[in-house]
Amino acid sequence: DTGVSQNPRHKITKRGQNVTFRCDPISEHNRLYWYRQTLGQGPEFLTYFQNEAQLEKSRLLSDRFSAERPKGSFSTLEIQRTEQGDSAMYLCASSQGTGSSPLHFGNGTRLTVT
Amino acid sequence: AQKITQTQPGMFVQEKEAVTLDCTYDTSDQSYGLFWYKQPSSGEMIFLIYQGSYDEQNATEGRYSLNFQKARKSANLVISASQLGDSAMYFCAMRPISNFGNEKLTFGTGTRLTIIP
Repeated sequence: DTGVSQNPRHKITKRGQNVTFRCDPISEHNRLYWYRQTLGQGPEFLTYFQNEAQLEKSRLLSDRFSAERPKGSFSTLEIQRTEQGDSAMYLCASSQGTGSSPLHFGNGTRLTVT
Repeated sequence: AQKITQTQPGMFVQEKEAVTLDCTYDTSDQSYGLFWYKQPSSGEMIFLIYQGSYDEQNATEGRYSLNFQKARKSANLVISASQLGDSAMYFCAMRPISNFGNEKLTFGTGTRLTIIP
């Protein structure tokens, strides 16, 4: 169990550029989640996958955001035409099983849009 | 929809004392799980403890215990014998337990705990 891995750890980009983040979950976990966290706030749910199926998307996930989990293993989160308001920590988590199973989080990708 | 309320933005506690972090929740789900996470300044979210809504006994994990009062919809975290390494943000979170795929974990705004030597 190597834990949830996220890359990159930090990303600085200019407004209007596209960025892509990667998440590698714990290998036996079939559920994968993306959250966004801004300074001083709790994580906000963005989307989640069960295997390769994207089962729920938050209304926070505008049409500039897209997430994929093509083979039910790693996932990518892409933000197109970044805005300064996208600056945040993007957290990925995985879990095995249903509601009683805790989510295990990665260390996050900190995005700064200048 | 679920809502988590943490009313203590910050707390200062003397080392070795016990501390209680408050959490209240609101949900229409009959079956749900309550979680506490710790987030040190390094940023990782560390799972601490879980309580199921139908669990009759309060959960305990080492120095952590969860004071679950279902009728009052509260799930307070108790840390006994606090240590300097307990200084961190603490988040209460809840998740429905259902067969209908609604598995979003909803977080509160957190409490920043500072342990004073």
